[in-house]
Parts: sequence; C-alpha cells; structure tokens
Amino acid sequence: LAKTTQPISMDSYEGQEVNITCSHNNIATNDYITWYQQFPSQGPRFIIQGYKTKVTNEVASLFIPADRKSSTLSLPRVSLSDTAVYYCLVGDIQGYNTDKLIFGTGTRLQVFP
Amino acid sequence: NAGVTQTPKFQVLKTGQSMTLQCAQDMNHNSMYWYRQDPGMGLRLIYYSASEGTTDKGEVPNGYNVSRLNKREFSLRLESAAPSQTSVYFCASSVWGQAHQPQHFGDGTRLSIL
Repeated sequence: LAKTTQPISMDSYEGQEVNITCSHNNIATNDYITWYQQFPSQGPRFIIQGYKTKVTNEVASLFIPADRKSSTLSLPRVSLSDTAVYYCLVGDIQGYNTDKLIFGTGTRLQVFP
Repeated sequence: NAGVTQTPKFQVLKTGQSMTLQCAQDMNHNSMYWYRQDPGMGLRLIYYSASEGTTDKGEVPNGYNVSRLNKREFSLRLESAAPSQTSVYFCASSVWGQAHQPQHFGDGTRLSIL
C-alpha cells in the first residue's frame, strides 16, 4: 500500500516559488505520481503526473528523485489564485486498486499578498 | 463541453428520506467514481464503476447504492439518509480505471441531513 504523507499546510507570498513535498516510501515499480489541486467549493483538478526525474507543464513542475520515495510539486511565482489544497496520489498502471485512490487530507497552501 | 455534471448542487434532507444524486460525463470515459468529502478530511471513495455494467465498493460504501445507467451516467442513492451522511459528494470519471489515470471531477453536491 503506497501511503503518501504531505505537510498539512504551507504559507507563501505572491511571487515566490512554492515547493510541496510528498513522501511515498512504499511506492511500487508500476506506480505513477499524480498531483491534484482543489479550490474551495470545487472538485479536485488534475495538474501534473510523473514517473521519474522531472516533468514540467504550463502550471507546475514535478521533481522525482531516483529512488522515487518522494516527489516535489513546484509552483513558480505563485499568485493569490494558487491558494488551494494540493493532493499527492500514487497509482499503478496495471490492475485497478482502490487502495491507490486515497486522497488523504492534502496540503493547504495559503498565498498572501 | 461540460465535462462532469452533478445534480443537484445543494440538497437538504430529513433523516430517513431517500435521495438519488445524479452524475453525467460527456468525455466518453469508461470509468466513473463517487467520493465524499467531510470537513478537514480528504476525499473517500464510496463506489466506482470501472466500465459500463460493473460497479464495486470503495472505502466507505455502507448506506449507499449505485447504478451505472449507461456509459455516461453514474448515480448514487441514499436509501435512508442519516446525519452521518451529511457531506459534499463528488463524482469523477477517467478514461479507464487504472489508479494512475487522471480523474476529472464535477463541482460536487452539498448534502445536509437533519
């Protein structure tokens, strides 16, 4: 069971880079790492996914070290609109395993002006 | 292109009443899910449907039933509502049901049971 651990909350100021780390010590060979963002009164939204090394899209970057036991979501130059809860999930590419669909409590990011 | 649509957005029930929450997706996805989210907690999986014609229990299925009406629609039914079922309910879908597949979520149904 690939349980994930994230900080409960983080604070930042506009314009700063924010790094949120997720620990997944029991990650399996076939597991991918996926991050979701949830704004108040909305459903979660997929933002980025990776298997190893670094992935970048228009929203964020995801850094995964060689041992894959952790991952870091990086949000460059955050704005007030990045205030949200961020969830890290670890899921496999083979069979369907509902144990991998545990969102946990996520990391609540608060961005201040 | 609406994505995942949930109805209703809000509902208040009395204990013992029944209710069906509706969910529809227009992305031609095969897999659909129902989650609940309680204050201060993450999302917990109630039921899922890996493909049309199949449904399976998730982490917290007690007190709920589901129906995968067709490929587009997946409903959640509370037969006899209890105050412990007061929550925000989210429906989601993905192309297929492998756990790494990105899920697309609706905006939720806020359900209060008195």
